[in-house]
Amino acid sequence: EAGVVQSPRYKIIEKKQPVAFWCNPISGHNTLYWYRQNLGQGPELLIRYENEEAVDDSQLPKDRFSAERLKGVDSTLKIQPAELGDSAVYLCASSLGPLRGKGNEQYFGPGTRLTVT
Amino acid sequence: DQQVKQNSPSLSVQEGRISILNCDYTNSMFDYFLWYKKYPAEGPTFLISISSIKDKNEDGRFTVFLNKSAKHLSLHIVPSQPGDSAVYFCAARASGTYKYIFGTGTRLKVLA
Repeated sequence: EAGVVQSPRYKIIEKKQPVAFWCNPISGHNTLYWYRQNLGQGPELLIRYENEEAVDDSQLPKDRFSAERLKGVDSTLKIQPAELGDSAVYLCASSLGPLRGKGNEQYFGPGTRLTVT
Repeated sequence: DQQVKQNSPSLSVQEGRISILNCDYTNSMFDYFLWYKKYPAEGPTFLISISSIKDKNEDGRFTVFLNKSAKHLSLHIVPSQPGDSAVYFCAARASGTYKYIFGTGTRLKVLA
């Protein structure tokens, strides 16, 4: 079974430029998460989707960040314009859905390491 | 306010010995806890979980203990192997939500 796929793996941009990250979750996983992980910290949730609906975006800085999950499968996360403080690893994860037991397990992609100069 | 705390940033253990990684939380509404392992340049990998209705869950060499009164959980790895060297994150979820709060991680080094 293929895991969560993310691209690109690395991205270096100048501040004020736009950037986009792409995520393909595990087939059949209804829930998709975007996390940001700063150096030395744990992942912090940015947004969670149930199918195509964003059900928790309270942590997403909406002035510059946007996300979409068309057709409830792939998702993109965009930053426009990027700031120096956006340098981090952006992780995508997926899970079966709001079920107990196995459904609570999140499977993470390898992440995109963003460097803003 | 850090709701999930891993106060030991690093831990070194001899191969074959027990590794004990600790995690404390402050939110009494947390009812589900997970441990993830992360290798460099990879995403976190699910390791083991425990529901608040239990105080212990075991899976092979990995055991998680939950002490609700102390708001403390620990991950025991025995015997430790060099391949266990990684960063370990604990995470918690509040009842009725699907938002996971992660700790800052503990870097485990198992010495051969």
